[in-house]
Amino acid sequence: AQSVTQLGSHVSVSEGALVLLRCNYSSSVPPYLFWYVQYPNQGLQLLLKYTSAATLVKGINGFEAEFKKSETSFHLTKPSAHMSDAAEYFCAVSVSGSARQLTFGSGTQLTVLP
Amino acid sequence: KAGVTQTPRYLIKTRGQQVTLSCSPISGHRSVSWYQQTPGQGLQFLFEYFSETQRNKGNFPGRFSGRQFSNSRSEMNVSTLELGDSALYLCASTEGQGSYNEQFFGPGTRLTVL
Repeated sequence: AQSVTQLGSHVSVSEGALVLLRCNYSSSVPPYLFWYVQYPNQGLQLLLKYTSAATLVKGINGFEAEFKKSETSFHLTKPSAHMSDAAEYFCAVSVSGSARQLTFGSGTQLTVLP
Repeated sequence: KAGVTQTPRYLIKTRGQQVTLSCSPISGHRSVSWYQQTPGQGLQFLFEYFSETQRNKGNFPGRFSGRQFSNSRSEMNVSTLELGDSALYLCASTEGQGSYNEQFFGPGTRLTVL
């Protein structure tokens, strides 16, 4: 069975600073990996996804993530934080053959300080 | 295209009652997945329907059930409500059958059980 671990339930950064949100996965087969963002009282919005085409994945709003098989990681980064980035971020994994079942990490609440 | 819609957005019930939540997927999407989101357990997969058939089910008791209609709209039902069923219930739709396809989430139905 696959699983996802997000290190740090709360992360605070200053506006303009680097954002780094950590995600490690466990899967016995090649995974598909996703990062979603959730704003208060809203559903989840896809930021980016890894489907084995390229290890460095660029997403919306300036976010990107790098798939590192040797480290079983898929960390999310953004070079310069903006106040509007404050939200909760979820890393998720699915594996081939598991239909549309996503296994989510516990989430990381990002706070951006002025 | 209109996004995923969920009705109602908010619901208050008492223990022992039953509830039905509705989800209308994006036009053309035939897969609908349901997730439960709580502060304690995070995001957990409930079940997934494709072409009116349940394809996958998470680890939830039989009180949780669902169905999908020929127009791809889906409903989930929770019988004999318990306090612990209070949660945000999210529905997601997917265009294709692959595990790598993006799931588009609705805004959710917030259920409160008193």
